[in-house]
Amino acid sequence: EIVLTQSPGTLSLSPGERATLSCRASESVSNNYLAWYQQRPGQAPGLLIYDASSRATGIPDRFSGSGSGTDFTLTISRLEPEDFAVYYCQQYGSSTRTFGQGTKVEIK
Amino acid sequence: QVPLQESGPGLVKPSETLSLTCTVSGGSINTYYWSWIRQPPGKGLEWIADIYFRGNTDYNPSLKSRVTISIDSSKNQFSLNLKSVTAADTAVYYCARGASSFGPWGQGALVTVSS
Repeated sequence: EIVLTQSPGTLSLSPGERATLSCRASESVSNNYLAWYQQRPGQAPGLLIYDASSRATGIPDRFSGSGSGTDFTLTISRLEPEDFAVYYCQQYGSSTRTFGQGTKVEIK
Repeated sequence: QVPLQESGPGLVKPSETLSLTCTVSGGSINTYYWSWIRQPPGKGLEWIADIYFRGNTDYNPSLKSRVTISIDSSKNQFSLNLKSVTAADTAVYYCARGASSFGPWGQGALVTVSS
């Protein structure tokens, strides 16, 4: 199965700052089939990005995804208070869908 | 209104079978793929299985020997059975639409395995 490694584990930033989250795959993700999710405390994850760079319905344009092959990035251009949460990447290029371990974006 | 809702026992004894149902509202189940995903307390996410309304299924190899996913189109529901559970199966279990990317998700059901 494809192992996804997210970095950093925790990102300490202030509102208004830019957040850059990394997701690295143990092998190339077919067709760049990679998604990003946001999970706030006590809530279910919510889909942000699919196919590496397409925003899901209703997702603000401050969220953007990029990358290909084994290296992917989620960027939040200007952090809003509601963006402080845990973010997971997930690949669906192979039959066994796998998630990264998560990056926590916390208030500095 | 949450379009997906998990239901089932919150406590299961070791070696017994965990059974959960997901009720889909606001649309027919006969359109998409549907999945189960779990999250142990304080940990990350693990895809368990998915199903299409025609009955096509796919399972995580790590759980395949213990898992059955099924669908009941007449009730707009799909279900998960996980047999021979241990404490390691304690988790929040989510149902979700999709088999590639997942969304929307149910609010989750905490299932604790304990005697």
